[in-house]
Amino acid sequence: EAGVAQSPRYKIIEKRQSVAFWCNPISGHATLYWYQQILGQGPKLLIQFQNNGVVDDSQLPKDRFSAERLKGVDSTLKIQPAKLEDSAVYLCASSLLQGRKNEQFFGPGTRLTVL
Amino acid sequence: DAKTTQPNSMESNEEEPVHLPCNHSTISGTDYIHWYRQLPSQGPEYVIHGLTSNVNNRMASLAIAEDRKSSTLILHRATLRDAAVYYCILRTTGNQFYFGTGTSLTVIP
Repeated sequence: EAGVAQSPRYKIIEKRQSVAFWCNPISGHATLYWYQQILGQGPKLLIQFQNNGVVDDSQLPKDRFSAERLKGVDSTLKIQPAKLEDSAVYLCASSLLQGRKNEQFFGPGTRLTVL
Repeated sequence: DAKTTQPNSMESNEEEPVHLPCNHSTISGTDYIHWYRQLPSQGPEYVIHGLTSNVNNRMASLAIAEDRKSSTLILHRATLRDAAVYYCILRTTGNQFYFGTGTSLTVIP
């Protein structure tokens, strides 16, 4: 079974530039998550999708971050414009269902460096 | 946020059991306890989860206190590949999934 795919694996940009990350979840997984992991901290949930609808985006900085999952499969996360404090690893995860018992499968992440 | 408290770091000798503690005094009756681990430069990996009863799987065991205010992840024989950051997480009905800073486990050969 193929895992969660993410690209690119690494990205270096200058502040005020824009960047986009892509995620392809495990086939058949209805729930998709984007996390931000700053060095030395645990992952922080940014947004959760159930199929192509947003379930929770309470911690997404909506003035600069956006995410979509148009066809209920793959997803993109965009930052525009980037700030220095956005330097982090952006992790995508998926789960079969949304419930409290369901395990999440994580991709390898995209490491973003903002200069 | 549904918070958990874990020691920042622990050490274990290779091939010995490891007990990783977690306190979750604010747990509610319907919150599930999940454990994930994150190896260096990788995304987190599911380890185990439970609600009230102790749980076993091929990776580990989860012992849950009777009052559910604490739990312990047990690795029966630590290997060098078990060196990772271990996160104890409460999965709530509000769908919160708060990782915290976890416990960094060092396995000594």
